[in-house]
Amino acid sequence: AQSVSQHNHHVILSEAASLELGCNYSYGGTVNLFWYVQYPGQHLQLLLKYFSGDPLVKGIKGFEAEFIKSKFSFNLRKPSVQWSDTAEYFCAVKNSGGYQKVTFGTGTKLQVIP
Amino acid sequence: SQTIHQWPATLVQPVGSPLSLECTVEGTSNPNLYWYRQAAGRGLQLLFYSVGIGQISSEVPQNLSASRPQDRQFILSSKKLLLSDSGFYLCAWSVSGSETQYFGPGTRLLVL
Repeated sequence: AQSVSQHNHHVILSEAASLELGCNYSYGGTVNLFWYVQYPGQHLQLLLKYFSGDPLVKGIKGFEAEFIKSKFSFNLRKPSVQWSDTAEYFCAVKNSGGYQKVTFGTGTKLQVIP
Repeated sequence: SQTIHQWPATLVQPVGSPLSLECTVEGTSNPNLYWYRQAAGRGLQLLFYSVGIGQISSEVPQNLSASRPQDRQFILSSKKLLLSDSGFYLCAWSVSGSETQYFGPGTRLLVL
């Protein structure tokens, strides 16, 4: 069975600091990878996704993530965070193929201090 | 454009009472539908998913059940709520064949 680990449960950063949130998955086959974000009071929404091709994926609001197959990782990065990035971030994995089940990590709460 | 609705937004129910949470999707046909529970520090747990009317798959054995009486309607139910059913319930949909899921606003359930 596939699983996802997010090691940072709560991260506090000052504005302009760089961000990297860890995500590791366990699944032996081909995967699709996602980062979802939930801003305070808003719906959970897709931030970026990797299906195939360039392992460096760029998403909305300056976020990017790099798929490193050998490390089973899909870490989320942003060079300079803003206060508006305060949110909860979820990594997710799906085995590519017909079955639609997406497995989510436990989430990382990011708090950006002005 | 597609939208997803959930209601109620908040619900407080006594232990042993029944539950019915509703989710509807607009602007798409034959979506895949999902129910998740989000608990603090535990991420999103997939409870049920459906690929069509009347087709329900359960991921976790529990006190809850789901039904899909119409193409764009997904209902989460319980005959008798437990304290442990408290949580934040999210409905989501996806286009069949696509992996991206779109989430509703959620229902916060408190069982007392």
